[in-house]
Order: sequence, then C-alpha cells, then structure tokens
Amino acid sequence: AQKITQTQPGMFVQEKEAVTLDCTYDTSDQSYGLFWYKQPSSGEMIFLIYQGSYDEQNATEGRYSLNFQKARKSANLVISASQLGDSAMYFCAMREDFYSGGGADGLTFGKGTHLIIQP
Amino acid sequence: KAGVTQTPRYLIKTRGQQVTLSCSPISGHRSVSWYQQTPGQGLQFLFEYFSETQRNKGNFPGRFSGRQFSNSRSEMNVSTLELGDSALYLCASSPSGGNTDTQYFGPGTRLTVL
Repeated sequence: AQKITQTQPGMFVQEKEAVTLDCTYDTSDQSYGLFWYKQPSSGEMIFLIYQGSYDEQNATEGRYSLNFQKARKSANLVISASQLGDSAMYFCAMREDFYSGGGADGLTFGKGTHLIIQP
Repeated sequence: KAGVTQTPRYLIKTRGQQVTLSCSPISGHRSVSWYQQTPGQGLQFLFEYFSETQRNKGNFPGRFSGRQFSNSRSEMNVSTLELGDSALYLCASSPSGGNTDTQYFGPGTRLTVL
C-alpha cells in the first residue's frame, strides 16, 4: 500500500496566485515526521518545510505553509504568492518512528507533483 | 555551513562494471542516507549509515553496498552494473537520523549504464 499519495501529477498556476499541493499519508505510528521537498530540473532536492506529528500548530516557512490535518492524514503544502522560480517537482515525504520499529525505510516519498508557474 | 557534496556529478559506465559514489555530509551531521531516483520507480531508499554503522537498508540487491567513515563521509558501491541501475543517486545527511530530523540532500550523481 502506498504510504504517501500525491494525487496531482501536474499543475499549472498563474504567477502570484496561491497554490495548494495535496498529500495524504498512511501510518499506524503515533510519532512521525512529514516533509516537503522541491526538486528543480537540476535534480537537487531542496528542503522546504517540516511538520511533526505532535506539533499542534501548522508549520510555516516564509511563503510555505503546511496544512496539517492529522485525523484525515493530510499534509498539504500551500505556497502563497507563487513565483516563476517555484516551477519544479514537489515531493511529500514521511519518516515513521525509528525507535518503535518504523522508519526502517528512511524517508518514504510520494510520486510528486510537477508544478508549472505561468507568467 | 557548506551543504552536502557528492562526487562525481555524472558517470557513464558499461554493464558489468562497478562504480563508487561519494558523499560528504554537512559538518556535524552523523547520519547519511542514500536514495535512488528513477522515472519508473520514483525515489527509493537504499540505506542509512550512522556512526559508521549501517542502520537501515532498503529493498535492493546485495550488489548495492555502502560504508561510512569516521569523519561521516560515505561511499556507496554498485557492482556488476545493470542497465536498470541508471538513475540519479541522492545522498542526504541529518544530525542523528531520527524521524524528526530533516534530511538535507546533495546535488546527486547521475549514473548512466550503457
């Protein structure tokens, strides 16, 4: 079963609009970490934002925020005021609790969303 | 702080050869993980090293191996290369490798097997 599901293979968005990239996850662990990465065409994975399963507040990092809905197992990335440089692949990832036996697979990634920002 | 570095950035090999990729983590990071990225399979975890010990291993054949040195630098080796090993190999480092640790990635090594 897929642990991370990203249902949007591709998205076209107008510059300066807000973008929401969907991510749902599946785990039975109580302790886990959720991450979003950006991968431009150059290939490097760039860390954007982190949310811990016990964090009550949604994480924010500049123009990025994570809409964390634990009961729905959802961790959507919101990019405010999109820019042309935001065009890239975006990956949602999870790491389960290593010490309870999970996390043995390192980070588990979704298949990604290809975001294209149009001028 | 300098980021994660990987060498070489590009490699072309032929089937049957072996290859060694290198990764230098961010200073102070003790955990290094390796991932393989292909168009068909996406991003897949290879293995994780912490304090010179392999802590986790993904579902890859024994041809894939790695090690970590006392300065936390890591190498991965692929023996008897197959066409399907063509991929982007990404290395990531984190302070301790826990589930709340952020992994920071290097630029990757793009391996082409002919």
